[in-house]
Amino acid sequence: DTGVSQDPRHKITKRGQNVTFRCDPISEHNRLYWYRQTLGQGPEFLTYFQNEAQLEKSRLLSDRFSAERPKGSFSTLEIQRTEQGDSAMYLCASSPRDSSNTGELFFGEGSRLTVL
Amino acid sequence: AQSVTQPDIHITVSEGASLELRCNYSYGATPYLFWYVQSPGQGLQLLLKYFSGDTLVQGIKGFEAEFKRSQSSFNLRKPSVHWSDAAEYFCAVGPSNDYKLSFGAGTTVTVRA
Repeated sequence: DTGVSQDPRHKITKRGQNVTFRCDPISEHNRLYWYRQTLGQGPEFLTYFQNEAQLEKSRLLSDRFSAERPKGSFSTLEIQRTEQGDSAMYLCASSPRDSSNTGELFFGEGSRLTVL
Repeated sequence: AQSVTQPDIHITVSEGASLELRCNYSYGATPYLFWYVQSPGQGLQLLLKYFSGDTLVQGIKGFEAEFKRSQSSFNLRKPSVHWSDAAEYFCAVGPSNDYKLSFGAGTTVTVRA
């Protein structure tokens, strides 16, 4: 059983560039979440998918951020025109929707973004 | 609005000593409460959760937590820590059994020999 996989693990970019992160959830999980974690803080909710439908977006997700889950499997999080304030760890998590869901989110190891 | 406060940013404990991490939450209804642990280079892992029922819940790795509604607290405890318990610990609260959790800022635990 493979866990949640995120790629790349670390991205360094210059301000103004676009970056994209990919998340592969646990295969039988139909819920997928993106969180952001800045230094010294806990994770903050960004957005949530059930299958391919994006059901909620946080106000933290400005119009420079977009997330997709086109076939209800992997997801991408794109940040356009990056700013230094976007530097953070971007965490992906998944969970099953059915009765086996015990409330646990399964997190990936994260993708760390550094904007110079 | 839901929120979590973890008053202790950093705790140092001797190996074999007991550990207690504090968590206070703010939530308008019956909360779903969680403790996650994040070890260096690892993803967040669930230690334990509380939804209802017995207010003392047992988790993995010998951890337990007690829900006290009157104090809006969900403190995490371990009777005897091991060097491998050195990590960052996050308390979280949510409106249901998943998604849109609100996490505290975390408590970093250092274990000294």
